[in-house]
Amino acid sequence: GQQVMQIPQYQHVQEGEDFTTYCNSSTTLSNIQWYKQRPGGHPVFLIQLVKSGEVKKQKRLTFQFGEAKKNSSLHITATQTTDVGTYFCAGDNYGQNFVFGPGTRLSVLP
Amino acid sequence: GAGVSQSPSNKVTEKGKDVELRCDPISGHTALYWYRQSLGQGLEFLIYFQGNSAPDKSGLPSDRFSAERTGGSVSTLTIQRTQQEDSAVYLCASSRSGTEYNEQFFGPGTRLTVL
Repeated sequence: GQQVMQIPQYQHVQEGEDFTTYCNSSTTLSNIQWYKQRPGGHPVFLIQLVKSGEVKKQKRLTFQFGEAKKNSSLHITATQTTDVGTYFCAGDNYGQNFVFGPGTRLSVLP
Repeated sequence: GAGVSQSPSNKVTEKGKDVELRCDPISGHTALYWYRQSLGQGLEFLIYFQGNSAPDKSGLPSDRFSAERTGGSVSTLTIQRTQQEDSAVYLCASSRSGTEYNEQFFGPGTRLTVL
């Protein structure tokens, strides 16, 4: 079955440093979503990427979808303490059932 | 407007008992998902409902788990003869279907503890 992997599992950064998490699927995806889960909270939708090679930006966050539609990345520029949480990607392989990656837990040291 | 709601927020039960978890999706959302999240882990897909179609039950871990969605709205996840390994946060999400962008809106979850 479809598998979605994320690296790294954990990332500790100093406030102001950049952060990147990578998502890889074992199968080609129709689209990919990214979610953020704050400690003690529930996942909150960040963005959905649909097109091959698509790049989208939200303030300090940059999302990319690979040309082969099997991988994606989330890059945060100049991290802030408010960026703390776990970032999940979720891949849809042309069904409507999304498979979530295991997440990357980000901690930001002030 | 109102988001996805789940009840109860916390449930403590004894091993072997049955539990029912409820999810009220956002009005008008035809897709409903159940996930399980163990402490510090990712989201494990359990079951997916889409309109009047047969649900995708491929993620249910055993026949002790079942779910219903009545009238295309409220859903109930039932766990029979609970085991300690069932302890986790159970998350429900809904999404509007039929559109290209189908972000999932998550409820606050039900934290289940099996003693």
